[in-house]
Amino acid sequence: EAQVTQNPRYLITVTGKKLTVTCSQNMNHEYMSWYRQDPGLGLRQIYYSMNVEVTDKGDVPEGYKVSRKEKRNFPLILESPSPNQTSLYFCASSGFMFLGRSSYEQYFGPGTRLTVT
Amino acid sequence: GDSVTQMEGPVTLSEEAFLTINCTYTATGYPSLFWYVQYPGEGLQLLLKATKADDKGSNKGFEATYRKETTSFHLEKGSVQVSDSAVYFCALSAAGGTSYGKLTFGQGTILTVHP
Repeated sequence: EAQVTQNPRYLITVTGKKLTVTCSQNMNHEYMSWYRQDPGLGLRQIYYSMNVEVTDKGDVPEGYKVSRKEKRNFPLILESPSPNQTSLYFCASSGFMFLGRSSYEQYFGPGTRLTVT
Repeated sequence: GDSVTQMEGPVTLSEEAFLTINCTYTATGYPSLFWYVQYPGEGLQLLLKATKADDKGSNKGFEATYRKETTSFHLEKGSVQVSDSAVYFCALSAAGGTSYGKLTFGQGTILTVHP
């Protein structure tokens, strides 16, 4: 079954304690991305990756790190979490279509609900 | 930059009522447009999409038409069911450049359908 998986699904932690949220896809997609979802703001992109070893900042990258050492995995790292990073996080992946127009869909993971106290 | 604006929610309807959720966008060039749906406790699923002006996306009784002249992509369904209760997101994906692949989302509209 084609899917994007995330772990953990729920996480409660304290300020400053480093954590990693894993993301894995089994569709051989080049493109992967992390979003955070906050009430009234929709989803905002944190980081994205166009392929292995190629990553770049999205709209809200402060306080986050990512890596892309393998095509299937794209972990999100919070080196020193703060309460304002309490949110619902989604990983997504997509294959490319080089047709001069972006028409592909993104597949989303089930989400990770993070609470930082 | 690119942006998407959805009608304010939440929206509450009775079963079999007609649904419209408005969505307008601002973008350069010719973006692709999407509606995603998020059921309680789940991730986002693609509901429908349109890639060029006047395209109509449709799925599960939902429809939306890409209107470039009004920069809109309104979601409609003729007769909603209780199972349609969810959060609906309008989104766009810009065409090429450094924003390739990025989805810009609206704020989401909560839909509740009562029996």
